[in-house]
Amino acid sequence: EIVLTQSPGTLSLSPGERATLSCRATQSISSNYLAWYQQKPGQAPRVLIFAASTRATAIPDRFSGSGSGTDFTLTISRLEPEDFAVYYCQQYGTSPPLTFGGGTKVEIK
Amino acid sequence: QVQLVQSGAEVKKPGASAKVSCKASGYTFTSYYMHWVRQAPGQGLEWMGKINPSDGSTSYAEKFQGRVTMTRDTSTSTVYMELSSLRSDDTAVYYCARGGGWLQFWGQGTLVIVSS
Repeated sequence: EIVLTQSPGTLSLSPGERATLSCRATQSISSNYLAWYQQKPGQAPRVLIFAASTRATAIPDRFSGSGSGTDFTLTISRLEPEDFAVYYCQQYGTSPPLTFGGGTKVEIK
Repeated sequence: QVQLVQSGAEVKKPGASAKVSCKASGYTFTSYYMHWVRQAPGQGLEWMGKINPSDGSTSYAEKFQGRVTMTRDTSTSTVYMELSSLRSDDTAVYYCARGGGWLQFWGQGTLVIVSS
């Protein structure tokens, strides 16, 4: 089973700043099949990125994904007020099982 | 538009079973896998398993093998997830989510509380 470790656990930033979130896997993720999700309190997760760098439908271009192999990054170029949330990475290259990272909370500084 | 509508919250006693439904609409039901993911209070996301609505085949996370059963009803475009021998640490929000690997569409979640 591939274990995903996200860092940092919490990121304290101000609106307009750049956010860089990391996701590291215990082994190489096949075909870079890694997705990123955003979750706000009381809501279901929403997919942002799939296949490491492809934005999902209707996702603003301030969200970008990069990386390959075992190291992946989600970047939010300029934080908007609605971007403060918890972010999860998830791999689907070696499944079952699908596995998720533990999450990074982006909070207002 | 794609919609996944789940059944309502449940309160169960330890040792009982819970069965959550997820009714799909807006797409061809048999064309996409359906996954179940749960989230304990204040915790992260945990994949439980998936079902192929086309033939009913399933794949479960090792942790839930023997306790979880996923089924589908193609006549109503509904998938079901039943978890048995409930314990207090099964208290969580249970989500259905459509996708092959990445999960594009999610249900609204169903809270299952296990309490004596």
